[in-house]
Amino acid sequence: DAGVIQSPRHEVTEMGQEVTLRCKPISGHNSLFWYRQTMMRGLELLIYFNNNVPIDDSGMPEDRFSAKMPNASFSTLKIQPSEPRDSAVYFCASSFGDRQSGGYTFGSGTRLTVV
Amino acid sequence: QQQVKQSPQSLIVQKGGISIINCAYENTAFDYFPWYQQFPGKGPALLIAIRPDVSEKKEGRFTISFNKSAKQFSLHIMDSQPGDSATYFCAASRNTGRRALTFGSGTRLQVQP
Repeated sequence: DAGVIQSPRHEVTEMGQEVTLRCKPISGHNSLFWYRQTMMRGLELLIYFNNNVPIDDSGMPEDRFSAKMPNASFSTLKIQPSEPRDSAVYFCASSFGDRQSGGYTFGSGTRLTVV
Repeated sequence: QQQVKQSPQSLIVQKGGISIINCAYENTAFDYFPWYQQFPGKGPALLIAIRPDVSEKKEGRFTISFNKSAKQFSLHIMDSQPGDSATYFCAASRNTGRRALTFGSGTRLQVQP
């Protein structure tokens, strides 16, 4: 398996533009997590899905953020409109079960810069 | 209640020395405590994990010590090597409600040759 695949690796966009981050989890994993990493706030959970259903989105900063998981092999995180304070590295992770007995497998992240 | 506090923020250790990173939690519902290792440009990767029914778990040079009464756990890296230079995160999760991992703030470890 190629692991968790995220795209793009880097994204630079202007304030106000829509940004879509993509994630392909490991085949067979039924839980998917979106985390945001910044120097100030560390790794923050944004949302997680279990069997394609959003379970906890309490970490989503505001209505500008939305996430979908239309099937077991694909998820998106969308920011509309983007703001400079959204600049961060966004990680997608997947696991078999949200109890992570086998650990989370993280992708390599998308570094987002909003100018 | 979801917070996991990690220290130190950064750590410099000589090759062959022992690296110690500490974490503390408040939420007594937490029952799973993993440590993740992150290299620059990569996502975190699971290193070792412990559940509160044991006080210590060892895997190679890495050991987790767990003190349930004090609500603290720590990572010990024995015989630290330059290849161990990375950022280490402790984490915790609960078995009810919000079950995803809550991460500590991270410790940047530098092992000098």
